[in-house]
Amino acid sequence: KAGVTQTPRYLIKTRGQQVTLSCSPISGHRSVSWYQQTPGQGLQFLFEYFSETQRNKGNFPGRFSGRQFSNSRSEMNVSTLELGDSALYLCASSLAPQGETQYFGPGTRLLVL
Amino acid sequence: AQSVTQLGSHVSVSEGALVLLRCNYSSSVPPYLFWYVQYPNQGLQLLLKYTTGATLVKGINGFEAEFKKSETSFHLTKPSAHMSDAAEYFCAVSSNTGNQFYFGTGTSLTVIP
Repeated sequence: KAGVTQTPRYLIKTRGQQVTLSCSPISGHRSVSWYQQTPGQGLQFLFEYFSETQRNKGNFPGRFSGRQFSNSRSEMNVSTLELGDSALYLCASSLAPQGETQYFGPGTRLLVL
Repeated sequence: AQSVTQLGSHVSVSEGALVLLRCNYSSSVPPYLFWYVQYPNQGLQLLLKYTTGATLVKGINGFEAEFKKSETSFHLTKPSAHMSDAAEYFCAVSSNTGNQFYFGTGTSLTVIP
């Protein structure tokens, strides 16, 4: 089976712009979670989707949003980008919620100038 | 509420020496525990996990971890370090009541030739 794929792998944006990141889970996986990783804050949970519904949300401002499609692919959007949004954004998929192992994609590295 | 503490943000060992990376957790429900490894510019790769059953868990690349409920610990060990083990290691906790993972801040392992 193919692993979790994320596109694009690298992205450069300027302050004030918006960005959309995409994640395709492992085939058959219905749960997708998103994380932000920075050197200062480590891995921080953004949100989790299961069957097109957001089940959990981390402590991030409303500029961060996401959605999941019927084929379990997920997108996250960040509007009005700030310099502090520069990070590695990781997507993880699992078969189902309730503690299932999460399998991570390679991440999208976002640089905001 | 759940949380993870990884003692030691940086650990250095000589090649061939024992690797010990510490992880303590707090959880109000029976935990699921995970260790992930991250190589530079890559996503997280699952090393091993504990859900139920045997408390000594064997993972990939010769790593193992022991769940000790009385000590609320899940330390990662490897008898003999290899140069290829140099990476960032993350401990995570989840539960059977939700899919949100809580990650530790990570331990950077350096292997000295």
